[in-house]
Amino acid sequence: AQSVTQPDIHITVSEGASLELRCNYSYGATPYLFWYVQSPGQGLQLLLKYFSGDTLVQGIKGFEAEFKRSQSSFNLRKPSVHWSDAAEYFCAVSGSQGNLIFGKGTKLSVKP
Amino acid sequence: DSGVTQTPKHLITATGQRVTLRCSPRSGDLSVYWYQQSLDQGLQFLIQYYNGEERAKGNILERFSAQQFPDLHSELNLSSLELGDSALYFCASSVDIGQGNGYTFGSGTRLTVV
Repeated sequence: AQSVTQPDIHITVSEGASLELRCNYSYGATPYLFWYVQSPGQGLQLLLKYFSGDTLVQGIKGFEAEFKRSQSSFNLRKPSVHWSDAAEYFCAVSGSQGNLIFGKGTKLSVKP
Repeated sequence: DSGVTQTPKHLITATGQRVTLRCSPRSGDLSVYWYQQSLDQGLQFLIQYYNGEERAKGNILERFSAQQFPDLHSELNLSSLELGDSALYFCASSVDIGQGNGYTFGSGTRLTVV
């Protein structure tokens, strides 16, 4: 069965510091992978997605993610975090039925 | 505004009651998905409809049901409510049902069962 693991429940970084959020997936075939962000009281917004091709994917708000098949990972990165990036981040994989399977999420706090 | 509209935004009801959550998908999207988000379970896929037909079922309880109408809006019906049903319920939509399509999410309905 497909699954997504986000090992870090909560991460705190200083404003201006770099960020990497980890995501590991379990999927038999070539996965379709996504990162979403959820601000408090809001729905989920798509940051970026990977289907095929270049393993480094650029998204909105300065985020990027790298697909590594050998490690079954799809980590999200940002070179310099802004206070407005504080939110919860969800990694997801497209399941066999076409639905998205989400990880438990990583809450990001940003220190001034 | 994502284009996916969910009503109501908040709902407080008593145990044993029945409620209906409504979702209007983004213009042009034929697929609607319902998710439940709770602190302990995270985001759980409930059910998917495509152009009026049920296409996939996830962890949806028998007390819950959904449908998608000809105008493509969808309703999620929750009955015999229990305290544990308190959660955020999200609707999402996409153009079709193919793998690899990201969803557009609504802002959710927060259900509190007291």
